Amino acid sequence: GDQVEQSPSALSLHEGTSSALRCNFTTTTRSVQWFRQNSRGSLINLFYLASGTKENGRLKSAFDSKELYSTLHIRDAQLEDSGTYFCAAETGGYKVVFGSGTRLLVSP
Amino acid sequence: NSKVIQTPRYLVKGQGQKAKMRCIPEKGHPVVFWYQQNKNNEFKFLINFQNQEVLQQIDMTEKRFSAECPSNSPCSLEIQSSEAGDSALYLCASSPKEVFFGKGTRLTVV
Repeated sequence: GDQVEQSPSALSLHEGTSSALRCNFTTTTRSVQWFRQNSRGSLINLFYLASGTKENGRLKSAFDSKELYSTLHIRDAQLEDSGTYFCAAETGGYKVVFGSGTRLLVSP
Repeated sequence: NSKVIQTPRYLVKGQGQKAKMRCIPEKGHPVVFWYQQNKNNEFKFLINFQNQEVLQQIDMTEKRFSAECPSNSPCSLEIQSSEAGDSALYLCASSPKEVFFGKGTRLTVV
């Protein structure tokens, strides 16, 4: 079936450093979303992309529908960035498939 | 950022009991999804609706799970006879294209 391969599964960053998360898709993907889930389970929308790149503050995301991947870059990580990040691919017909998540911990 | 409302936030049921949770999608969003997120953070798609009609559902949903999205009423997901393995966070989402989630109902089956 449709799969989304998300990496890394866990990431530890010191405040002020930067890193990137990646999702690879195994099938045609029409759009991708990135979410951050907090400790209470709430999913916060970070980005919705049908193509190209978007930037919001210290976060930047890219989606390459031809090469079937998306990335989320976190610049100058802050403590409040800690949480679990998920990508989700819309593969057509309102079918949305989630990655397995990246647990991010930002420490002082 | 999301206006999807889910109730209750927490639900505790005994094995064999019915468990019902509700969702009010964001106004104007024609598509509603239900997902189950387990303790390993894995998302399992359960069912989705476009307006009041079922678009897709998994086999599990057809047996003990039932869901509906009537017009002018909240959507609902009901588990007829809860099992311990049903303990999870149940997330409702609605979408025009971008998907927005409610805060979830955390079901514990004891």
